Amino acid sequence: EVKLVESGGALVQPGGSLRLSCAASKFTFNSYWMTWVRQAPGKGLEWVANIKEDGSEKYYADSVKGRFTISRDNAKNSLYLQMKSLRAEDTAVYYCVRGDGDYNLFFKSWGQGTLVTVSS
Amino acid sequence: SYVLTQPPSVSVAPGKTARITCGGSSIGGKTVHWYQQKPGQAPVLVIYYDNERPSGIPERFSGSNSGNPATLTISRVEAGDEADYYCQVWDSSSDHVIFGGGTKLTVL
Repeated sequence: EVKLVESGGALVQPGGSLRLSCAASKFTFNSYWMTWVRQAPGKGLEWVANIKEDGSEKYYADSVKGRFTISRDNAKNSLYLQMKSLRAEDTAVYYCVRGDGDYNLFFKSWGQGTLVTVSS
Repeated sequence: SYVLTQPPSVSVAPGKTARITCGGSSIGGKTVHWYQQKPGQAPVLVIYYDNERPSGIPERFSGSNSGNPATLTISRVEAGDEADYYCQVWDSSSDHVIFGGGTKLTVL
């Protein structure tokens, strides 16, 4: 069974930085798009970013473009999200998600999420 | 940017049929996926490619997308179906993933 385990969530001050990690196992990591999806407390799902299998293509939501960077290390079966210039509205549970399909992605495998709180 | 519109809430009695809609411009030309999320849990894919069910999802769950809106149908609703439901598409014009705002299904 696919396993995705996020880490790195924390309380951080506005303007600060944080790096999330996702350890993937039980599937061929370098054969799948990977995605970050977030959910603010009591709110709906919001797509954050996608990265192609080989890292050659990356896409970002307008709300995080220029502040967040998605990356992956296929040798380590790991996905990352570098977040900077954090704002209160970035407070959310961040899910690491495997993308199925090709470009027209859907998401069958989700991690349990890691909580990022941006507050002074 | 592309927007998906869902009703905030839908209520249904046990044993009846629930229909949750997802509206968007020319949505019939896109492929719609649906997720179920229960409190404190990660979302679960219940329908992909408009009407395909992942293994383990009951046949009571079905999807259609023959125009605006796309629809998730849950037949013979059970108490355990009470959850938030989200539709999702890929917007090829922006290369963005789009989620609907979510619909809270209440089983009366």
